Amino acid sequence: DQQVKQNSPSLSVQEGRISILNCDYTNSMFDYFLWYKKYPAEGPTFLISISSIKDKNEDGRFTVFLNKSAKHLSLHIVPSQPGDSAVYFCAASVGTGNQFYFGTGTSLTVIP
Amino acid sequence: DAGVIQSPRHEVTEMGQEVTLRCKLISGHNSLFWYRQTMMRGLELLIYFNNNVPIDDSGMPEDRFSAKMPNASFSTLKIQPSEPRDSAVYFCASRRTRGNTIYFGEGSWLTVV
Repeated sequence: DQQVKQNSPSLSVQEGRISILNCDYTNSMFDYFLWYKKYPAEGPTFLISISSIKDKNEDGRFTVFLNKSAKHLSLHIVPSQPGDSAVYFCAASVGTGNQFYFGTGTSLTVIP
Repeated sequence: DAGVIQSPRHEVTEMGQEVTLRCKLISGHNSLFWYRQTMMRGLELLIYFNNNVPIDDSGMPEDRFSAKMPNASFSTLKIQPSEPRDSAVYFCASRRTRGNTIYFGEGSWLTVV
């Protein structure tokens, strides 16, 4: 059973606008969340993370929001750039040193 | 520093043949993960090791799949016999034991015909 879900397989956004990628989880024990970015024919690379003690973490154009009561997190990219076009995976874990559970990914296309 | 190194990058094999995928961890990392990427399930964890010891292999599809860590820096994932439904991209990833981030290799693209 999928514990981390990304219900939008794809998303298209105009360059310069905001991209919002969503992720839901079912396990209330998850306390650490990450986003990975994957280009074709490459492995996923770490993008940004957030601990459950926070509700927001920002790194340049990327911001992750966590809503623990709704078991929902989102990744905001603003402004979106064509180089952001990739598949984005969210992942969750319980504590450190344990396994990560990944979603199915959302393919983002930023249109120039 | 070198990242996670996987080989082969591409493998095409006939149904029934044995397939061995290889992975070299990042130096100093103690945890090793094997993932399989499919459209339906995304990145699906097959097995992970801490300090060469398998911790959770509940994701291994069936007895045809086996994984080993003969030493602290190297792992193999073996499929015997292979079937067309095993066709996927297999990723290896590593992490420091108590680290919060895992680092992926570039993947092994397997096609079983």
